[in-house]
Amino acid sequence: QKEVEQNSGPLSVPEGAIASLNCTYSDRGSQSFFWYRQYSGKSPELIMFIYSNGDKEDGRFTAQLNKASQYVSLLIRDSQPSDSATYLCAVNNDYKLSFGAGTTVTVRA
Amino acid sequence: NAGVMQNPRHLVRRRGQEARLRCSPMKGHSHVYWYRQLPEEGLKFMVYLQKENIIDESGMPKERFSAEFPKEGPSILRIQQVVRGDSAAYFCASSPGELRSYEQYFGPGTRLTVT
Repeated sequence: QKEVEQNSGPLSVPEGAIASLNCTYSDRGSQSFFWYRQYSGKSPELIMFIYSNGDKEDGRFTAQLNKASQYVSLLIRDSQPSDSATYLCAVNNDYKLSFGAGTTVTVRA
Repeated sequence: NAGVMQNPRHLVRRRGQEARLRCSPMKGHSHVYWYRQLPEEGLKFMVYLQKENIIDESGMPKERFSAEFPKEGPSILRIQQVVRGDSAAYFCASSPGELRSYEQYFGPGTRLTVT
């Protein structure tokens, strides 16, 4: 079992819709959860982090964490073409980050 | 720009040569991490360093790879006798320190091509 698994993509959504990204992790001891956005050929950019169960909102992004289910998700509301990228879920293992393979999102204008 | 800096951005080496990748952490950050992203694969942890200390190098190949973060100057990832399989994007990340160790910010990366 992989440490971090993300729903397979690619995910195509129309402009203005909600994009929903899911991630599960195997280490129950993980305490910190991150979403990175990576444009093609670029470096990962930290867009959200969440430490506690529940929802955390930042602009058009909402991260949701359920530690009992070992599940973390990212919602992108009012999707824009500029949101087209690969989204990486990362989970801490002590100080190391374990990354999922990523979900590629395409927002259709 | 106070972000993480890496150079060179692109590096081409012939098989058997040495590659040196440099990373300057974000201002105020004392923790440095190196990750490798192979084509069509995810990011993999390689090594975690603080000034003058290697904290965890469990993700680094045992041979040919080494890393340092001296008291003065950037962190260096060194790959000796490169092989084609070393071709990848190498990213450096930095974090502020103990209480926020998990928030890691990435540099632009060095794309290494071995010919």
